[in-house]
Amino acid sequence: GDSVTQMEGPVTLSEEAFLTINCTYTATGYPSLFWYVQYPGEGLQLLLKATKADDKGSNKGFEATYRKETTSFHLEKGSVQVSDSAVYFCALEGNTGKLIFGQGTTLQVKP
Amino acid sequence: NAGVTQTPKFQVLKTGQSMTLQCAQDMNHEYMSWYRQDPGMGLRLIHYSVGAGITDQGEVPNGYNVSRSTTEDFPLRLLSAAPSQTSVYFCASSTEGDTGAYEQYFGPGTRLTVT
Repeated sequence: GDSVTQMEGPVTLSEEAFLTINCTYTATGYPSLFWYVQYPGEGLQLLLKATKADDKGSNKGFEATYRKETTSFHLEKGSVQVSDSAVYFCALEGNTGKLIFGQGTTLQVKP
Repeated sequence: NAGVTQTPKFQVLKTGQSMTLQCAQDMNHEYMSWYRQDPGMGLRLIHYSVGAGITDQGEVPNGYNVSRSTTEDFPLRLLSAAPSQTSVYFCASSTEGDTGAYEQYFGPGTRLTVT
């Protein structure tokens, strides 16, 4: 079945460091791919999405490119801030319309 | 718009008790879902609905019931709570976006503890 695998956390970075959170997926067909962010004590918010191969989703300085050849959708940000500390979830929407989530990666940014 | 609202925010139950987690959305979305979030496991789909009167099971439906009598409301019922149901529960609603993908909007969550 469809699945999403994220890198293990927590990821701890200093402010202004470069961020990469790896995400790979297994799916039939051409799923849409998403990154969601969960700030402490809150629900999930959509961060960015891509719906077809080579699409780049971007928002708030975060980017991810849909790579069909490597079945990946890695999240990147050039310069993280303390306010980016959160849990990040990679997800795919399969052909049933249901979202399948990775296990989440906790990011801690220290000043 | 209030978006997706959930009540209660926190709940403690004893084993065997029943309760209903409420979820409502005011965005006229046809699709609604319930997830549970457990450490290290991401979010797992419990039940979902593609419209009023239509529900289906997700990945982990055992111990939970749902109904969808209106577009706005999608309550989740625990008939006989068990400690394994201790979790954070999220309700979400979605509709097809302009790119064809379904973007889900999440409520703030209900933290449930079963003792």
